[in-house]
Formats: sequence, C-alpha cells, structure tokens
Amino acid sequence: QSALTQPPSVSGSPGQSVTISCTGTSSDVGSYNRVSWYQQPPGTAPKLMIYEVTNRPSGVPDRFSGSKSGNTASLTISGLQAEDEADYYCSLYTSSSTFDVVFGGGTKLTVL
Amino acid sequence: QVQLQESGPGLVKPSETLSLTCAVSGYSISSGYYWGWIRQPPGKGLEWIGSIYHSGSTYYNPSLKSRVTISVDTSKNQFSLRLSSVTAADTAVYYCARHSASCYFGYWGQGTLVTVSS
Repeated sequence: QSALTQPPSVSGSPGQSVTISCTGTSSDVGSYNRVSWYQQPPGTAPKLMIYEVTNRPSGVPDRFSGSKSGNTASLTISGLQAEDEADYYCSLYTSSSTFDVVFGGGTKLTVL
Repeated sequence: QVQLQESGPGLVKPSETLSLTCAVSGYSISSGYYWGWIRQPPGKGLEWIGSIYHSGSTYYNPSLKSRVTISVDTSKNQFSLRLSSVTAADTAVYYCARHSASCYFGYWGQGTLVTVSS
C-alpha cells in the first residue's frame, strides 16, 4: 500500500488562509487524480469536502479548494472560520495493480 | 437523502469474528455505486477495510484481506462486514460508506465502536 504524508497539525487565525498538504510519490498521487479530502470534527463521521483533486460537492463552501502539483495534493481553506476546526484527511484511490484506497495520517486544524 | 446505519455487537472477544451490518435507506444498493467499510482506532486515523460493488464484486485492503469478508443482501438493502480472528488492534469505530468508481466516499454512516476484549 502507498503511504500519504500529511502534517500532524496546522493553525490559523479567523479570516486567514491555511493549506494542508498530502504528499505521495510519482506512482500514486503523481499518477492519479483520484484524491479526495474529508473533514472530521471531534466525535463525528468524516464529511467529503473535495473529490477528484479539485471538485467540491454541493453544499461545501467555496472557501474550500483543492489542487495538485507533482506528487503533492493540497487542500486550501480561505477565510478561516471557527467551525473549520477539525481533523482533515486526504485519500487516494489507486488501481495500478490492485484496487486500493489509502488515507493520509490526518491533520489537526486549529483556529486560533 | 441517502442514509447509512451500522449495527452489530459493541464488544467482541479476542480470536472471535466481528460482524457488522450497514442498512441503507434512500437509495437502492442494486442501482449502483460501491459500498465500503472504513475503520478508525481511538485517537488514530482512517483505514479502508474493503468495498463491494452492487453486483457483488469485492475489493479488500491487502493488509486485511486474509481476514475480511464483505457481502451484500440486495433484498434487505444492506451489506455486511465480517472480520475474523480479531485482536485488540481491531478495536475501532467502524464506518460504512457509499463511494464512486473513483473512490470518493460521499455518504457515511455515523459509525459504531467495536471493542475487542475478553
């Protein structure tokens, strides 16, 4: 299985922007656009925020955006709000040799 | 609105088999999509366990493949997870979810905590 690396924590003040990275390799993140991002406030189920690198499901504020450069995918949250404080996970689906889904280790976002 | 609800024992003894069911409402499993299981040990990250397509094809995490069976019952609109030979390391919140062919999980159950202990 691939391993996706996320920073353990990031922080920002209300109104600021933060970016959470998700780093893989040229064989996974670098080769596939099947990266998704999930938000998980404490004690709740994860919620889909971004799919296929850049797409936002209906109902997700446009303050949330996704991108990819090389082997790193990123989630950017602009105009930070207190309610954005949560754990964030990236995920990747690869099908090079076998159907496999990998999650990053998660990033704790603190709104100062 | 698609809704998923996990059910099953909250306590399983070591070496026994963990069994969970996910009841789906608001959408017919036989109409399409993939249906998966994800778990989260207390204080840790998410781990994909496996998925089943509405046709019955299954896909498992290579690290768990030898112990996992996922099945679907379209007549009851539900799918199930069986994880054999459990240990304390299998203690986790278990989520069921619906996902697309590109594996983004759009709908999740609320999760159910399963503790492995004697």
